[in-house]
Amino acid sequence: DAKTTQPPSMDCAEGRAANLPCNHSTISGNEYVYWYRQIHSQGPQYIIHGLKNNETNEMASLIITEDRKSSTLILPHATLRDTAVYYCIVIRGGADGLTFGKGTHLIIQP
Amino acid sequence: EPEVTQTPSHQVTQMGQEVILRCVPISNHLYFYWYRQILGQKVEFLVSFYNNEISEKSEIFDDQFSVERPDGSNFTLKIRSTKLEDSAMYFCASSGGGAETQYFGPGTRLLVL
Repeated sequence: DAKTTQPPSMDCAEGRAANLPCNHSTISGNEYVYWYRQIHSQGPQYIIHGLKNNETNEMASLIITEDRKSSTLILPHATLRDTAVYYCIVIRGGADGLTFGKGTHLIIQP
Repeated sequence: EPEVTQTPSHQVTQMGQEVILRCVPISNHLYFYWYRQILGQKVEFLVSFYNNEISEKSEIFDDQFSVERPDGSNFTLKIRSTKLEDSAMYFCASSGGGAETQYFGPGTRLLVL
């Protein structure tokens, strides 16, 4: 699976959009970009995923560059409960295990 | 909304004892996974399971670990002879297969004394 690079930490004001970047320059054509988050020691929570196109769901939007070498997770109106570690993971799917890096620790400031 | 459940939420055991961690995956899912997270460290993949056999395993998943799907609903991780360094959060996950999303349970916190 392709390696991902994320900033170790970011701050965002409550109510503002949080934009979390991820680089995955070695991504293959059949690999998906997944985003998860982990709040304290809870189980990782699925947020969103995409292959080529931008995606949006009730939690977030995912913007993938045309060359697929990077992506941005957008939380449109961050709340204090969005404080968590966010992981960008590239995976083919099937029985492949997810490879978690250190992620980005997002801190939402009141 | 369907979810992955795990029992127990906490387990304390003595070094050398066997432990079995239990998971109930989402009912129509076909792929099952175990991960662990040592305190302060990354989430690490242990093993994936499909069609009643191991599909993939990491270097961590050595002979002291085993997995089983004893019936149509449970998925278990057994640690045969626990060591101090097995103390961690253990997460179960399941997916429908293909490129489908893995959904995680809340975890079991294992403490080996």
